[in-house]
Amino acid sequence: AQSVTQLDSQVPVFEEAPVELRCNYSSSVSVYLFWYVQYPNQGLQLLLKYLSGSTLVKGINGFEAEFNKSQTSFHLRKPSVHISDTAEYFCAVTDSGGYQKVTFGTGTKLQVIP
Amino acid sequence: GAVVSQHPSWVICKSGTSVKIECRSLDFQATTMFWYRQFPKQSLMLMATSNEGSKATYEQGVEKDKFLINHASLTLSTLTVTSAHPEDSSFYICSASPVEASGNIQYFGAGTRLSVL
Repeated sequence: AQSVTQLDSQVPVFEEAPVELRCNYSSSVSVYLFWYVQYPNQGLQLLLKYLSGSTLVKGINGFEAEFNKSQTSFHLRKPSVHISDTAEYFCAVTDSGGYQKVTFGTGTKLQVIP
Repeated sequence: GAVVSQHPSWVICKSGTSVKIECRSLDFQATTMFWYRQFPKQSLMLMATSNEGSKATYEQGVEKDKFLINHASLTLSTLTVTSAHPEDSSFYICSASPVEASGNIQYFGAGTRLSVL
């Protein structure tokens, strides 16, 4: 079994400023990690994923995340945010051994201030 | 690619009626589809895992007779909320995992907001 912790429920940031959304996970086995974005009244869109290989993963909309196995973290970053980045962001984890259900964090609301 | 269509996007119904929600993978085949429920300002709660041609696997605490799931083909799964009551009002989201995908990647529908009066 695995779990995901997103410590920040809300993150306000000014437009064009950098942002980091934190995600920590726990698992007794190797994992796959994901970040999803949800705009109001919509489903989830995959931002990026870590399956294996390079620990720095680049996704859509200028976001990137770094997998840190020793710290069991997968923080999401963007060097300069836009108003359109205002949304809910979910970190998710699944065991890498075959099919397993995905566990989602509680989400972080990113609010970009003009 | 990897588009999942969910219909309807919003439904209002009277208490005691049943509501069917459809989830379709438009450009890929999905042996596995998932149904989630999301309460306001909360994360997604997995309700059940739906496999094509077999019975769905429900999570603990989810009433299988209340939430009927059918996965008749590799591109369609349906969730029927039977005898809906106001406490069933919620945002329901489906997702689908492509047959050829690695990493348990799921692609999500846009969600269905159910309001039971």
